[in-house]
Amino acid sequence: EVQLVESGGGLVQPGGSLRLSCAASGFTFSSYWMSWVRQAPGKGLEWVANIKQDGSEKYYVDSVKGRFTISRDNAKNSLYLQMNSLRAEDTAVYYCARDRRYGDYGHAFDYWGQGTLVTVSS
Amino acid sequence: DIQMTQSPSSLSASVGDRVTITCQASQDISNYLNWYQQKPGKAPKLLIYDASNLETGVPSRFSGSGSGTDFTFTISSLQPEDIATYYCQQYDNLLTFGPGTKVDIK
Repeated sequence: EVQLVESGGGLVQPGGSLRLSCAASGFTFSSYWMSWVRQAPGKGLEWVANIKQDGSEKYYVDSVKGRFTISRDNAKNSLYLQMNSLRAEDTAVYYCARDRRYGDYGHAFDYWGQGTLVTVSS
Repeated sequence: DIQMTQSPSSLSASVGDRVTITCQASQDISNYLNWYQQKPGKAPKLLIYDASNLETGVPSRFSGSGSGTDFTFTISSLQPEDIATYYCQQYDNLLTFGPGTKVDIK
C-alpha cells in the first residue's frame, strides 16, 4: 500500500525557516517524480515544487523561487522541502504527492499524504 | 503562465441528478488535464487523467471530456458521498489547478 506521511509543520515567525519531510513507503520511491502541493486555509490547491527521480531537475512556482528548496534522499525514501524567508502568505497545509509520469508527456498526482500545517505568524 | 477557470464555483443538486462542471484554460493545453475530488479535511484524490480517462477504482458515474481550452467533468447520478470540492489541473506548462467547484446536496 502506497503511503506518504508528512511531518515538520508548525508555527514559525515571518522571516523564519522550516523543513518539511515526507516519508514514502509501498512503492519504489526512486522511480517517481515527487511534488509538494499546498492549500491555504479555506482556499484552493497550489502546486509548489517538484523533483525528478534522481534529483537532477527541480521546478518551482514563481512565488517560492529563491526561498524554498525541494530535495530527496532515495536511500531513505524521503522527500523534503526547505522553506526560508517565510511569509504570512505561505501559511497552508502542505501535501506531499507522488507525481506519476507516463507515456511521452503524461502526468498526474496519483497519491497524496495527509498534509502538514505550516502557520507563519508573529 | 496558464490560468485555469472553473464554473460554477459552487452548486447544489439532488441525489440522482446529473452534475456538470466546466474548466477553461487560458491557452490550448491539448488533453493535458486532470480532475481531483477533495472531501472536507481530506487530501485530494485523482479521478480523471488526460481529460477523459477514469483512474482505476473510481466509479463509472464520473467522466470527463474536452480538449484544447474547454473541458467538462460530469457526475451522471449524484450520490451523497460525492459531496466535495472538485478541481481541474493542467500540466501542459508547469502545473496549475483551477479554483475549485464545491458540490453540495440540495
